[in-house]
Amino acid sequence: AQTVTQSQPEMSVQEAETVTLSCTYDTSENNYYLFWYKQPPSRQMILVIRQEAYKQQNATENRFSVNFQKAAKSFSLKISDSQLGDTAMYFCAFMTPTSGTYKYIFGTGTRLKVLA
Amino acid sequence: DTGVSQNPRHKITKRGQNVTFRCDPISEHNRLYWYRQTLGQGPEFLTYFQNEAQLEKSRLLSDRFSAERPKGSFSTLEIQRTEQGDSAMYLCASRSTGWGGGETQYFGPGTRLLVL
Repeated sequence: AQTVTQSQPEMSVQEAETVTLSCTYDTSENNYYLFWYKQPPSRQMILVIRQEAYKQQNATENRFSVNFQKAAKSFSLKISDSQLGDTAMYFCAFMTPTSGTYKYIFGTGTRLKVLA
Repeated sequence: DTGVSQNPRHKITKRGQNVTFRCDPISEHNRLYWYRQTLGQGPEFLTYFQNEAQLEKSRLLSDRFSAERPKGSFSTLEIQRTEQGDSAMYLCASRSTGWGGGETQYFGPGTRLLVL
């Protein structure tokens, strides 16, 4: 069975600084996808960034980038130039097409607070 | 694109009552998911629909829970004889088929249930 672990329940960062959120996962699958979702307070969850396991290049989306270490089963999210609007819960999620349903397995989340 | 919508956004009920939630997915998405999120946890998979067919149910979905998706459009999740342990956020997500983005799920704002 696959598992996703986020070992940092809470983090804070000063505005304009850089912060890295950690995520590790366990799987025996070779074909899978990893996601970071952001859940602002009382708002819906939105996709921040996704990574296909077969791609060696780390995904980037503007200020957001990942460090995907397949052998170590690590998938960390780096937020550069942090903004107040980045304050949210961040969830790491795993999905494998082998499941047939493409359902997600989530970590427990990291609460990020950006300080002015 | 109006996104995934869920109604109601909040529901307070007394133990033993029945409740029903509705999810309207993105119109062209034929895959629909329900997840449950309790305080301090990441979302956990409950059930999956492909069009109108319910193809997978989690062990979390006890016999008091039933989900439907008539005509492959909106979906409902009903909880009978609610218990205090059912208090949670119920999230709906949808996705399209195919590669190149079809693996990404789009989430609704959730229905927060409180059972007194």
